[in-house]
Amino acid sequence: DTGVSQDPRHKITKRGQNVTFRCDPISEHNRLYWYRQTLGQGPEFLTYFQNEAQLEKSRLLSDRFSAERPKGSFSTLEIQRTEQGDSAMYLCASSEQETQYFGPGTRLLVL
Amino acid sequence: AQKVTQAQTEISVVEKEDVTLDCVYETRDTTYYLFWYKQPPSGELVFLIRRNSFDEQNEISGRYSWNFQKSTSSFNFTITASQVVDSAVYFCALSEQNQGAQKLVFGQGTRLTINP
Repeated sequence: DTGVSQDPRHKITKRGQNVTFRCDPISEHNRLYWYRQTLGQGPEFLTYFQNEAQLEKSRLLSDRFSAERPKGSFSTLEIQRTEQGDSAMYLCASSEQETQYFGPGTRLLVL
Repeated sequence: AQKVTQAQTEISVVEKEDVTLDCVYETRDTTYYLFWYKQPPSGELVFLIRRNSFDEQNEISGRYSWNFQKSTSSFNFTITASQVVDSAVYFCALSEQNQGAQKLVFGQGTRLTINP
């Protein structure tokens, strides 16, 4: 049973560039979540998909952020015009019921 | 609003000592779930336990045990006979259900260091 995978694991970019992250959930899980974690803090909810429908977005998700899950399987999170404040670990989780299982995260550094 | 407080930012103990990590939560929901996750240096959050708000039975799994007390809104985690491999950041989380999403609200985490 493979877990949640995320790609890339690390990303360094310059301010103003666009970045895209990918998440592959556990195959039978229909729910997919994105969280953001900054240094020394707990993860914070960004957005949620049930199958291909994006049902909730946090106020943390500014207009520069967009997430998709086109076929109800993998998901992408894009950040446009990155800012230094976007530097964080981006975590993806999936679930079938109440328990969310997390991927290894993508660590983003914006210079 | 939902809130989780982990008052202990860092704990350091010597191997084989018992250690308890505190978690206090706030919610207006009558039905909710509580979780503990472990985050080792690699960064991946590892699920440890889920507890339903209607089930106040304490749970033991090997060296790990959890004490859920609704009366004090606490869900504490104890590691018995700690080992160096237990060193990690531990997060307590509360599920908040909205439009079917059970998004998690996390505490700030407790960094646990087990010294040999």
